Formats: sequence, structure tokens, C-alpha cells
Amino acid sequence: DVKVTQSSRYLVKRTGEKVFLECVQDMDHENMFWYRQDPGLGLRLIYFSYDVKMKEKGDIPEGYSVSREKKERFSLILESASTNQTSMYLCASFRGSGNTIYFGEGSWLTVV
Amino acid sequence: AQSVSQHNHHVILSEAASLELGCNYSYGGTVNLFWYVQYPGQHLQLLLKYFSGDPLVKGIKGFEAEFIKSKFSFNLRKPSVQWSDTAEYFCLSGSARQLTFGSGTQLTVLP
Repeated sequence: DVKVTQSSRYLVKRTGEKVFLECVQDMDHENMFWYRQDPGLGLRLIYFSYDVKMKEKGDIPEGYSVSREKKERFSLILESASTNQTSMYLCASFRGSGNTIYFGEGSWLTVV
Repeated sequence: AQSVSQHNHHVILSEAASLELGCNYSYGGTVNLFWYVQYPGQHLQLLLKYFSGDPLVKGIKGFEAEFIKSKFSFNLRKPSVQWSDTAEYFCLSGSARQLTFGSGTQLTVLP
């Protein structure tokens, strides 16, 4: 019973390419998050969204944008990929206080 | 803003040793605290969670955690670790619109 789906598990992109990472949840959650995970740096918040068309910057938004046109889908966009964006990207979905957080399986992006 | 601190970055134990991983959070309102585990090459899995009630929380795989409000702590414990517990452990704090991760603790259990 998959609840948070990241459709692209492994991607290799060239520097300068536009990259879309998609996250879909089937739990009608308001809150969705994008993190990146790098060795020694833990998980760092890029952007989050608390409703359709609403978004807020996290700790490291530079070089990224997001889109939330529908409640179930939260997209992370790299307008012009760079090698320092090679990382594992993790999506999370969360109804809010008093509820469990659900994570996708992660998207491994390599920019060459 | 919320913050979550995990002071142990890397812990190495022998099998059957007892485990305690520290987690301190800073947030003055309602707390939702979680411990997640990430086994090598796998996605994050929920070990246990605390929202309210009994401060001693039992999770899966023999893990437990104690919420101590006065110390802003939510430490993870296991009385006897196994080699299969080798993984990275994350403490999280969640509220209405925020999820804050600790930096993670890599646990290595030696056979």
C-alpha cells in the first residue's frame, strides 16, 4: 500500500538541463515537503507546501522551485541543474499535528 | 523556529550492548516527536512516535523512547542491539506546518 510515490527513482541529467521531480500522495494531506539528503549533512528542507498553490522556502531553496497545482502532487523543479545538486531527494507528506509523517522512497539524481 | 539536535553522530556498539541515542528539541508548543530509521539503501521507516499521553513510547523491533518535557528530550533506547540494527537513525519534530529533522545518528553494530 504505497502512500507517497516518487516516480523517478534514479535520474542522470546534464548540467544546465531542467529537471522535474514528482511526488504524489494519496492521503489527502495538506502538507508536503521536499528534502535533500547528503552524506554528513543529514536531511535539509528545500521547500514545503501547506495547500494547493501555497509554498514556502525551506533552508536551502536556492536553485530550486516547486509547483503544487493539485493537492496530491508536489513537484520539485531544478531550472538549470548543476553538479552540486547531485543528491538524494526525499518527499514527505503530513496531515499535521498529531499524525504520522509518510515518506517517499527517494529520488537519486546525478548531474554530470 | 523549531530545531532538533542529535548529539551522537556515529555510535559503534557490539551486539547485545544497550543503546541510547539522544534527541533534544526546541519548541514551546504542542510537540509531535518521531524516530525514523534508514537501513542502508532503503527508505525511512517509522520506529515510534509520541503525540501525547504516556511519555514512555514503545515502537517496533524492540525500540522505545522516553519523552521528558522538562529536558526537551526524546531519547531512543534499546536494551540489546543486534547486527541488523546497523542503520541511520533520525529524530523528527513535527507541528502543523513544519517537519524538522535532527542531523541523524549512524549506528554501527559489530557482530
